[in-house]
Amino acid sequence: KQEVTQIPAALSVPEGENLVLNCSFTDSAIYNLQWFRQDPGKGLTSLLLIQSSQREQTSGRLNASLDKSSGRSTLYIAASQPGDSATYLCAVNQGGSEKLVFGKGTKLTVNP
Amino acid sequence: DAGVIQSPRHEVTEMGQEVTLRCKPISGHNSLFWYRQTMMRGLELLIYFNNNVPIDDSGMPEDRFSAKMPNASFSTLKIQPSEPRDSAVYFCASTGTGMNTEAFFGQGTRLTVV
Repeated sequence: KQEVTQIPAALSVPEGENLVLNCSFTDSAIYNLQWFRQDPGKGLTSLLLIQSSQREQTSGRLNASLDKSSGRSTLYIAASQPGDSATYLCAVNQGGSEKLVFGKGTKLTVNP
Repeated sequence: DAGVIQSPRHEVTEMGQEVTLRCKPISGHNSLFWYRQTMMRGLELLIYFNNNVPIDDSGMPEDRFSAKMPNASFSTLKIQPSEPRDSAVYFCASTGTGMNTEAFFGQGTRLTVV
């Protein structure tokens, strides 16, 4: 059974700092990995999708990497801003299925 | 497109009552998912449909839960009878054709069963 773990559960940083969020998964037979953002009381917004054949994806100040063989992904946020404060979730799409298995998220607070 | 639309946004009901949650996926998307989010268990997939057909309902907790998708633009998740432990945020999501497409989530329905 696929399990997705995100460490740390919470992170607080000063504005302007570069930071890394971690995601690990137990079964490397994935089709893709997605990073989402969730604001309080809101739904999830997709940030980046990395296909299993890719190593990384970039969007603005966000860069996500994938090491499928070791079961790890990182989300790098450059020059963090207070508006980046949210919970960040990673999810893997298991091979052969459209199901997404989610981690429990990292709650990020960026202090002005 | 207005995105995935869920209703109601909030629902408070008494134990034993029937609850119906509704979802309108993004037009043209052919897969629809129902998730439940709690502090303890995080996001869990309950059921998903592809082209209106239920593909995997292994996450449905028990027979009190049922889901339907009568057409490509509408789905319901029903709980009958509801129990306090069903209190959670229920999300609907949809994706387009192909495996490497992003999932789009609705704003969720916060259900409280008292």
